[in-house]
Amino acid sequence: ETGVTQTPRHLVMGMTNKKSLKCEQHLGHNAMYWYKQSAKKPLELMFVYSLEERVENNSVPSRFSPECPNSSHLFLHLHTLQPEDSALYLCASSQGTGPGTGELFFGEGSRLTVL
Amino acid sequence: AQSVAQPEDQVNVAEGNPLTVKCTYSVSGNPYLFWYVQYPNRGLQFLLKYITGDNLVKGSYGFEAEFNKSQTSFHLKKPSALVSDSALYFCAVRSANNLFFGTGTRLTVIP
Repeated sequence: ETGVTQTPRHLVMGMTNKKSLKCEQHLGHNAMYWYKQSAKKPLELMFVYSLEERVENNSVPSRFSPECPNSSHLFLHLHTLQPEDSALYLCASSQGTGPGTGELFFGEGSRLTVL
Repeated sequence: AQSVAQPEDQVNVAEGNPLTVKCTYSVSGNPYLFWYVQYPNRGLQFLLKYITGDNLVKGSYGFEAEFNKSQTSFHLKKPSALVSDSALYFCAVRSANNLFFGTGTRLTVIP
């Protein structure tokens, strides 16, 4: 049990579908993150929320839409994706967003396949 | 700008031998450094961190890392490797809103 739960663990969708990834953290943290992990590429930061406010949007295409309704939940809404968006999407949380606020805690990831 | 480099894509070591996974960093300001491990089809698990203080940091599963400011390195070490240590290891450096990861090193421990 990592304290960060992601659902679904696996998702297959067509390019015209709309789906959402969900993340929930049980650690009382104030910051939440979405990362994308593709084969043979470094982990890419997508979005950062601090106290439910988006503080980082790392040039992510608009077909990815994040939502943070409260400090414990984070969603990634997906629509009209491309096959190259197939990847492992990792959610993480931390106490804060300053450099000295310590480590990020990761969920198990949602494996997305776009057909 | 913050960045880390992991010069080795793959490290092989015999079970029972010491292991080292290398990481060098580039930061402006104080370095906040981390090591994570990833098993197949799993998320990243935190191993250890350097924030300040003692240059030798001890972490989970018997791992340790040595912070070397003059060489800007933060190598991960373990005195005696186990087959179960086989996994993908990531070095990372913290900035305000991000944790910048290296490209990862795949460790294989050979029985």
